[in-house]
Amino acid sequence: SAVISQKPSRDICQRGTSLTIQCQVDSQVTMMFWYRQQPGQSLTLIATANQGSEATYESGFVIDKFPISRPNLTFSTLTVSNMSPEDSSIYLCSVGQTYYEQYFGPGTRLTVT
Amino acid sequence: KNQVEQSPQSLIILEGKNCTLQCNYTVSPFSNLRWYKQDTGRGPVSLTIMTFSENTKSNGRYTATLDADTKQSSLHITASQLSDSASYICVVSAEGGYNKLIFGAGTRLAVHP
Repeated sequence: SAVISQKPSRDICQRGTSLTIQCQVDSQVTMMFWYRQQPGQSLTLIATANQGSEATYESGFVIDKFPISRPNLTFSTLTVSNMSPEDSSIYLCSVGQTYYEQYFGPGTRLTVT
Repeated sequence: KNQVEQSPQSLIILEGKNCTLQCNYTVSPFSNLRWYKQDTGRGPVSLTIMTFSENTKSNGRYTATLDADTKQSSLHITASQLSDSASYICVVSAEGGYNKLIFGAGTRLAVHP
């Protein structure tokens, strides 16, 4: 399994600002994903980060709100834009060679005040 | 609609006792089923994975079972330890051209001394 790190591990941000979360993997991976986990809830897929092309977003998530970059096979960023308190969640990246086998990063705990 | 339901929602047991968590799914066509453990503030970590042809899989004190006919799975924890306190998430993946993971809401387990 891959070793995945995320930065920052947590942050407290003011509404209206943006935060960029980084996901770094210790080996090249085909697929990288971004999830949101709202308090007390399970994980919801935001988008699949594709290397060399635009991310594929799930229903309810848009690029203007959650722009994603994937410049190479070991790194991706997720930006949470124009934040509101409803964006307070844990954001997790996961990686895998297929959808079937995904390994999760430690998560970024975001609080928006 | 592809769904994964887990029960109970939460559970409290005493250290050293056994417990069983349940997962029912309506995902079709079925590919595989994973149980993840998620410690508070951390990303999910895979415990077991089972395909259609497997009906039991063990990982130390964790034993998962799968009945593909009734679309039910269970996770049995033996001789619980305080470190078992976590959320346990059942995740099912579907076959198809665009495979995604379908997450259950999780069971929050608390092991008390």
